[in-house]
Amino acid sequence: TQLLEQSPQFLSIQEGENLTVYCNSSSVFSSLQWYRQEPGEGPVLLVTVVTGGEVKKLKRLTFQFGDARKDSSLHITAAQPGDTGLYLCAGVKTSGTYKYIFGTGTRLKVLA
Amino acid sequence: SAVISQKPSRDICQRGTSLTIQCQVDSQVTMMFWYRQQPGQSLTLIATANQGSEATYESGFVIDKFPISRPNLTFSTLTVSNMSPEDSSIYLCSVASEAFFGQGTRLTVV
Repeated sequence: TQLLEQSPQFLSIQEGENLTVYCNSSSVFSSLQWYRQEPGEGPVLLVTVVTGGEVKKLKRLTFQFGDARKDSSLHITAAQPGDTGLYLCAGVKTSGTYKYIFGTGTRLKVLA
Repeated sequence: SAVISQKPSRDICQRGTSLTIQCQVDSQVTMMFWYRQQPGQSLTLIATANQGSEATYESGFVIDKFPISRPNLTFSTLTVSNMSPEDSSIYLCSVASEAFFGQGTRLTVV
């Protein structure tokens, strides 16, 4: 079983603080995606990173793909209550069958 | 972007019964995926459904328990058979390459 471990599992912070979520695996992925999921909704894609070492920014969110394409991080600057949700990374495998392997998830709560 | 609609959005079912979940996509897609998300957990892939062939199931999931149909390139169904309380989860369908998800079906088995 290919596992994507996310850390931390839970995070509760004050508005304005910075945070980093990590997504680690022993497997190499063709690409890696980050999602945010809110209660009662399906996951919503935030970003896809493809190249080892790639960094992408989405407003206050910075995503990085590890050089070896086995891990990724999500950094949020000046967190806001609207950032609250379940953050999921998903590694994309294209060798053999095409599939997404989801990480264990990080539940973030930003307090006003 | 693809728009994915799932039905029902939620249901409460008696143990021992079966529920069929429908997933409709507004465009033709080759691959569709079915996931289960247990309370407070991440997503676990159940199976991959390609049109015209049998679904490919992940370890721990079998066709007798989760039969899948894929009659055309815009539609799929997942049936949860002979349900038990342990099947209480959110079930989500998704399409490949762009990874769009439906809003999910919240199933409670009593």
